[in-house]
Amino acid sequence: AQKVTQAQTEISVVEKEDVTLDCVYETRDTTYYLFWYKQPPSGELVFLIRRNSFDEQNEISGRYSWNFQKSTSSFNFTITASQVVDSAVYFCALTLNDMRFGAGTRLTVKP
Amino acid sequence: EPEVTQTPSHQVTQMGQEVILRCVPISNHLYFYWYRQILGQKVEFLVSFYNNEISEKSEIFDDQFSVERPDGSNFTLKIRSTKLEDSAMYFCASSEASRLQYFGPGTRLTVT
Repeated sequence: AQKVTQAQTEISVVEKEDVTLDCVYETRDTTYYLFWYKQPPSGELVFLIRRNSFDEQNEISGRYSWNFQKSTSSFNFTITASQVVDSAVYFCALTLNDMRFGAGTRLTVKP
Repeated sequence: EPEVTQTPSHQVTQMGQEVILRCVPISNHLYFYWYRQILGQKVEFLVSFYNNEISEKSEIFDDQFSVERPDGSNFTLKIRSTKLEDSAMYFCASSEASRLQYFGPGTRLTVT
């Protein structure tokens, strides 16, 4: 079965705190891609990152970083020094022939 | 930067009516998709389309749904007889073979 689990439904932090959003996936395929998308209140899906299954190197982009660990089937997302503009729903997704999304984590960053 | 566009941004229709949601994928992409997101829920795959035919569809994509690529640029989703539970945001996406799917901004469908 192909599945993505985001166990954290909602997270609330105060500005400047670091926050990690968890993502655990299941697939029997050896070749797959993992994604993170941000969905702000306006509703569009904003692409953040793509990772293929052969590339376990962690990535940092500004305040964002991603930790991909095949051994635990996890692809976690950390925001460092969070800002109010980071408030959104964040989706982790797994793609084979179609894209399977997790249920999303609603992040609220309070000033 | 090329992007996927969708029209209309918001469609209101009465139960039982037919609606057509339109998408213009990125021009050199070959794979097209529709997804649905009911308010407050996750994004769900509906259908993928390649080489002028459906390549995969989910259990949600029943006989009331159909997709078409009527010309070289548009990709449409038709819902034949809308139900209240069809109210959702519908996202179109397109990709080359790389599996990096680019999403459109979505069409919010409200069925009254």
